[in-house]
Amino acid sequence: GAGVSQSPSNKVTEKGKDVELRCDPISGHTALYWYRQSLGQGLEFLIYFQGNSAPDKSGLPSDRFSAERTGGSVSTLTIQRTQQEDSAVYLCASSPGLAGGSTDTQYFGPGTRLTVL
Amino acid sequence: AQSVTQLGSHVSVSEGALVLLRCNYSSSVPPYLFWYVQYPNQGLQLLLKYTSAATLVKGINGFEAEFKKSETSFHLTKPSAHMSDAAEYFCAVKTGANNLFFGTGTRLTVIP
Repeated sequence: GAGVSQSPSNKVTEKGKDVELRCDPISGHTALYWYRQSLGQGLEFLIYFQGNSAPDKSGLPSDRFSAERTGGSVSTLTIQRTQQEDSAVYLCASSPGLAGGSTDTQYFGPGTRLTVL
Repeated sequence: AQSVTQLGSHVSVSEGALVLLRCNYSSSVPPYLFWYVQYPNQGLQLLLKYTSAATLVKGINGFEAEFKKSETSFHLTKPSAHMSDAAEYFCAVKTGANNLFFGTGTRLTVIP
């Protein structure tokens, strides 16, 4: 596909369970981002991957959240022991990751809506 | 530190009327500024971005925004609203950090 894809589109889980959210970035994009969109909270940055560099995890809200990116492509965001406040839409974005890439356009996926009961 | 303030969480305009969505930023260094649109149940789509070239930036779907350093603003405008413009709009700033800092969004309603 031409765009960023995410799966599943919807996930309902029980409090305390672990969940994994997947992101397939645009082919060739070296930069990948995860954001969280909560009702009333807007969009919050979670984590950033650039190539083989160590990820910028500065936005992760707690140690229950982690993410990995295998082979510089697909990324998985894992939330352990989910809490009701984790309910949100989780958005993934990718960008070309050009040198000095502050002006890179980030291309967003449709998101995964997570509901924790 | 950087931040973005969007004045008005909801804006309603009549079809054919001017659209004005306000965005003010705070940044200690020259910013890069973005406007994204989110249609229902979809991801964010870039409308336009300011990257320190021309201060008046034209984007898709007839939208444009003007960077005003003296006012620390980057308001989004469109001369004539269409029904299809109904969506949520997000202003974002980037100042060399890897991530975008988003405003809380403005939901635009277009009244027929």
